[in-house]
Amino acid sequence: EADIYQTPRYLVIGTGKKITLECSQTMGHDKMYWYQQDPGMELHLIHYSYGVNSTEKGDLSSESTVSRIRTEHFPLTLESARPSHTSQYLCASSRGESNQPQHFGDGTRLSIL
Amino acid sequence: KNQVEQSPQSLIILEGKNCTLQCNYTVSPFSNLRWYKQDTGRGPVSLTIMTFSENTKSNGRYTATLDADTKQSSLHITASQLSDSASYICVVSDRGSTLGRLYFGRGTQLTVWP
Repeated sequence: EADIYQTPRYLVIGTGKKITLECSQTMGHDKMYWYQQDPGMELHLIHYSYGVNSTEKGDLSSESTVSRIRTEHFPLTLESARPSHTSQYLCASSRGESNQPQHFGDGTRLSIL
Repeated sequence: KNQVEQSPQSLIILEGKNCTLQCNYTVSPFSNLRWYKQDTGRGPVSLTIMTFSENTKSNGRYTATLDADTKQSSLHITASQLSDSASYICVVSDRGSTLGRLYFGRGTQLTVWP
């Protein structure tokens, strides 16, 4: 069982609010990722990090931002939530080698009213 | 265009039966192919990872095969159990970048009935 945790699991909030989705891992992994997943659709990479103070945008355009101040922590922030941000957000981590599996958290299901 | 296509989209089988899920990809250059199991409301969990030189890999009742020439993979589930009900996602990694970019399929939704 992978040690990667996301909070909150569910969040329903109004338009315009600032939101931070938390992700922490205790495996000492250098690489961390944020994905967006809608029902019946593939995962889309929105942010990733190679290590502390390293962050990059993924393939899917996102209005969110991330930070990586500590190895174990990779929070995602939406400054002003909109209904179009409603989705499931999955955090993952992996070791540095390319053939290592990604370990996923159980996700945050976000609903913007 | 790099893509990963999975079939069938959904599948219903009876408990105890076997089934095979398919994955076709066009990702190039190829690095590895992964199968993940995603239970409803949970994050994906890795089942297998295969590199170019591996034709088959097993994880308990799950056996994945890879034909890198035809760019096809299958996941065979033996003696299915109710707990096998989940979405099975095929993921292909390329060698085109340090990140090893991942291409995700949309998954096959498997339902096992008692």
